[in-house]
Amino acid sequence: AQSVTQLGSHVSVSEGALVLLRCNYSSSVPPYLFWYVQYPNQGLQLLLKYTSAATLVKGINGFEAEFKKSETSFHLTKPSAHMSDAAEYFCAVSGFLGGYNKLIFGAGTRLAVHP
Amino acid sequence: EAGVTQSPTHLIKTRGQQATLRCSPISGHTSVYWYQQALGLGLQFLLWYDEGEERNRGNFPPRFSGRQFPNYSSELNVNALELEDSALYLCASSLASGGDYNEQFFGPGTRLTVL
Repeated sequence: AQSVTQLGSHVSVSEGALVLLRCNYSSSVPPYLFWYVQYPNQGLQLLLKYTSAATLVKGINGFEAEFKKSETSFHLTKPSAHMSDAAEYFCAVSGFLGGYNKLIFGAGTRLAVHP
Repeated sequence: EAGVTQSPTHLIKTRGQQATLRCSPISGHTSVYWYQQALGLGLQFLLWYDEGEERNRGNFPPRFSGRQFPNYSSELNVNALELEDSALYLCASSLASGGDYNEQFFGPGTRLTVL
């Protein structure tokens, strides 16, 4: 079965500091991997996705993630945090075994950005 | 282009009642997905409809049901409401499924409160 683990339910960074949100997946076959962001009282917005092309994926708002098969990881990074990045971030996986159209989400990481 | 819309925004019911949630997909999208975001349980896949048929179902009891109409809009019905059904219900839509992944676009959600 596929699963996703997000390390750290809360991450706090200073404005301008590096953002690193951790995600590890469990899948017996290479999956599709996603990062979504959820602002308060809103739905989910796709930040970026990995679908077996380049292992370094660039997304919106300056975020990027690197697929590392050997570490079964897909960590999300941003070089310099902005106040507007404060939100909840979800890592998700889909793939053949679980069905491509069924997203399995991690528990989420709430990012706080302080001045 | 209008995004995924959901109604109502908020819904308050009492235990044992039935709730009906509605979703209109992005124009041209034929697949609709439902997810539950409950406090402490994270985001869980509920149902997937495509071309009017239920294609996949998450680990939820049968009192969670739905349907997709000819115009591809969808309803989620929750019968015999229980307190733990209180959650944000997110709807997403995508282009027709073809065995591979199609990006899911999420609506703002319906917050269901069961008293």
